[in-house]
Amino acid sequence: DSGVTQTPKHLITATGQRVTLRCSPRSGDLSVYWYQQSLDQGLQFLIHYYNGEERAKGNILERFSAQQFPDLHSELNLSSLELGDSALYFCASSHRTEGRAGELFFGEGSRLTVL
Amino acid sequence: AQTVTQSQPEMSVQEAETVTLSCTYDTSENNYYLFWYKQPPSRQMILVIRQEAYKQQNATENRFSVNFQKAAKSFSLKISDSQLGDTAMYFCAFIQGAQKLVFGQGTRLTINP
Repeated sequence: DSGVTQTPKHLITATGQRVTLRCSPRSGDLSVYWYQQSLDQGLQFLIHYYNGEERAKGNILERFSAQQFPDLHSELNLSSLELGDSALYFCASSHRTEGRAGELFFGEGSRLTVL
Repeated sequence: AQTVTQSQPEMSVQEAETVTLSCTYDTSENNYYLFWYKQPPSRQMILVIRQEAYKQQNATENRFSVNFQKAAKSFSLKISDSQLGDTAMYFCAFIQGAQKLVFGQGTRLTINP
């Protein structure tokens, strides 16, 4: 158990809909990352938050948005869903201070299926 | 931009054999971290081993060890006495400073009985 909690674990929805994925980081971790993994692909970085502030953006579509709340949990919002958005979405957290790198702890992922 | 390349999409070995997975990366920085993550069929991302670039000594975790060649920007993973439970996708990853973790495309490793 990594200590990172993601909900829901599985989600099936239709094209055009909107979903919200939730992530609770490990206790004390200030950084939250979101990654997308399409079938048999590597992990693509979406966005990074540190202590409530957006720190870096990757290949995140304009239809997607995220935020990190004062209690440090994060939500990834996916709207106007398309078939190609079907993927495993990972959240990872890290107890990183500025200028120090360390390992990321991953949640079990949220599997999104768009029909 | 940092990139990570895994040139072996798939590998297959017999149980108890030793297997080496390759990884190269590109960066102009001097201080960074490298990781190998394992993703079994459950899809959970599990950290296998990590290496700090400033350490010359290669990291070792039980049956897993790395060959870190900083000048060559190479970071290979050796699995000794492979077990059926080692069957998984293996991802090499790189992180520097407060940046994001960059992953390679993965190597699908199958351990045959």
